[in-house]
Amino acid sequence: EAGVAQSPRYKIIEKRQSVAFWCNPISGHATLYWYQQILGQGPKLLIQFQNNGVVDDSQLPKDRFSAERLKGVDSTLKIQPAKLEDSAVYLCASSSPGTSSYNEQFFGPGTRLTVL
Amino acid sequence: LAKTTQPISMDSYEGQEVNITCSHNNIATNDYITWYQQFPSQGPRFIIQGYKTKVTNEVASLFIPADRKSSTLSLPRVSLSDTAVYYCLVVLMNNAGNMLTFGGGTRLMVKP
Repeated sequence: EAGVAQSPRYKIIEKRQSVAFWCNPISGHATLYWYQQILGQGPKLLIQFQNNGVVDDSQLPKDRFSAERLKGVDSTLKIQPAKLEDSAVYLCASSSPGTSSYNEQFFGPGTRLTVL
Repeated sequence: LAKTTQPISMDSYEGQEVNITCSHNNIATNDYITWYQQFPSQGPRFIIQGYKTKVTNEVASLFIPADRKSSTLSLPRVSLSDTAVYYCLVVLMNNAGNMLTFGGGTRLMVKP
């Protein structure tokens, strides 16, 4: 089966600019996650969707970050305006409760963002 | 959420068995112990999960003592391609999708 797709793979912007990332989860996966991974650290959950509804966005910096999953499939994560500290890899993951006893998450390759 | 503690880094040689221990003193009754592996420039990948005693799959074994306050991931006969970061997580299982809280992980370097 196809994995989680993300684009772009790399993005370089200047501070105060805007940027958007796209994620296409595994077909049929109802739950979608966005993580931020700063170099040398483990991924940090930003937001979790169940279908097109938000389950948890407690760690999303809502003054500059936004995310949507309008039709319960693809999702976009936006940063506006970007700061230097937003430089990181943004990972998208999906899971499907009930299809695996482990409820494992499947991660995409990530988008590496560099803010200059 | 139970916090996990694991070594920052480990070195090994090809063909050796590697054991990575993780402590999770505050694990709750409904928490499962889960390990993920992450190669450079890739997203994490699920390796193994267990609740108690021993779990084995084609990749690794997971040993969990009776008090569940620690766990050990065992990788048999590692190769250079096992060089990666290994994350130990304590996960509350629910039908809405489990929340993953990653720590810093253990950087395993396998040498020839």
